[in-house]
Amino acid sequence: DAGVTQSPTHLIKTRGQQVTLRCSPKSGHDTVSWYQQALGQGPQFIFQYYEEEERQRGNFPDRFSGHQFPNYSSELNVNALLLGDSALYLCASSLVHSRAQYFGPGTRLTVL
Amino acid sequence: DAKTTQPTSMDCAEGRAANLPCNHSTISGNEYVYWYRQIHSQGPQYIIHGLKNNETNEMASLIITEDRKSSTLILPHATLRDTAVYYCIVETGANNLFFGTGTRLTVIP
Repeated sequence: DAGVTQSPTHLIKTRGQQVTLRCSPKSGHDTVSWYQQALGQGPQFIFQYYEEEERQRGNFPDRFSGHQFPNYSSELNVNALLLGDSALYLCASSLVHSRAQYFGPGTRLTVL
Repeated sequence: DAKTTQPTSMDCAEGRAANLPCNHSTISGNEYVYWYRQIHSQGPQYIIHGLKNNETNEMASLIITEDRKSSTLILPHATLRDTAVYYCIVETGANNLFFGTGTRLTVIP
């Protein structure tokens, strides 16, 4: 058990709606990364947060935004949902100078 | 970032060593090799990483060729619970992992 928790487990939304996904990192970790995994594909990097700021961002539109709180937990927000946003959203935590990321079980988002 | 090439799928008999190859011919000097695996319906799990030297931990061994253009992940005694998709990743840091499609390893009883 990696210790990273995500909520909710599953979520169903309709096109155009907004969604917020939550992540609590493994105890002691200060960095949170978010990934999107479409069915049958490997995870794709969305962005990473450290010290409450976005450090790196992958090739995702501005509809995807995030936040990190002082307790290191994080949120992923997606606005104006599209059918193509249906995926498993994974959160990973790490220490800023560590090379290992620890993943949570993910949130399965379905957009109808 | 260097790209990797992995076989789409592999089988391994339970109790035998599983050797998963990865080609990364365009790797640069400061890029690390990482291995993660993903068991069905779970988040990816970190296995091991290395730069130049071979590495071993409680889960696996990582053998990197001298020219660093390829590597092999070795699971010494595969069990049914090792059935998963294994991703070989080359990155300068641990921040932005490009997973690709990986190798689907099936451990056969």
